[in-house]
Amino acid sequence: AQTVTQSQPEMSVQEAETVTLSCTYDTSESDYYLFWYKQPPSRQMILVIRQEAYKQQNATENRFSVNFQKAAKSFSLKISDSQLGDAAMYFCAYRSASSGTYKYIFGTGTRLKVLA
Amino acid sequence: EAGVAQSPRYKIIEKRQSVAFWCNPISGHATLYWYQQILGQGPKLLIQFQNNGVVDDSQLPKDRFSAERLKGVDSTLKIQPAKLEDSAVYLCASSFSPRDTQYFGPGTRLTVL
Repeated sequence: AQTVTQSQPEMSVQEAETVTLSCTYDTSESDYYLFWYKQPPSRQMILVIRQEAYKQQNATENRFSVNFQKAAKSFSLKISDSQLGDAAMYFCAYRSASSGTYKYIFGTGTRLKVLA
Repeated sequence: EAGVAQSPRYKIIEKRQSVAFWCNPISGHATLYWYQQILGQGPKLLIQFQNNGVVDDSQLPKDRFSAERLKGVDSTLKIQPAKLEDSAVYLCASSFSPRDTQYFGPGTRLTVL
C-alpha cells in the first residue's frame, strides 16, 4: 500500500524569504502523480502544484516549485518570496496513474506560519 | 465557473443523533469524492462516485455512514447514529474524471457532543 509522510508538523518563515516543505512517499508503482495542496484557515483545499512521475523536469508555478527525486521517493515544495497569504496547512498527496479508482492518499500536513 | 458547494458549513449534534451533508459538484464533473478530515490529519477518502455508481467505499463505516448520488450530480452523506469520534471536517471534492485534478469544497465542520 502507498503511504505519504510529512515529517514537519509546523514550519515558520520570514516574509519574503524561502521555505522548503518536505514530503516522502512509498510506492511500488512506476506511474503516479504527486500533488501539493494548500488549506488556508477557511478550510477550502486549493491545488498548488502537481508533478507527473514520468516527467524528470520539476514542476513550477510562479513562486512555488518542487524538487522531485523519484529514486529517493522525495517530493519537496519550495516557496520563494514568502507572503503572508501563504500561511496555511500544506498537504502532500499521491495518486496512482494506473489503478482503477485513482485514489488520493494524503500526508498529515505541515502548518506554515509566515512571520511579518 | 462555480466551485464545489457544500452545506451546511457547520453542524453541532448530540451523540446518537443523525446528520446529513449535501454536496453539489462542479458542473460536468462525473467523479465525486467524500473525505473525512480529523483535526491534525490529512483527508481520508470515505467514498468515491463515478456518475451515480460507487467506485470505492472501502473506508466508509457502513454500519453508520451512507452516501448517495442518485442523479449523478448532487450527493448526500449521512451519519446515523453519530459517535463522538465522528467529529471532523467532511470535505466533498469533484473532478471531470478519476484521472483529472480534484477540486474541493469548503467542507462541513461536524462537532458531536
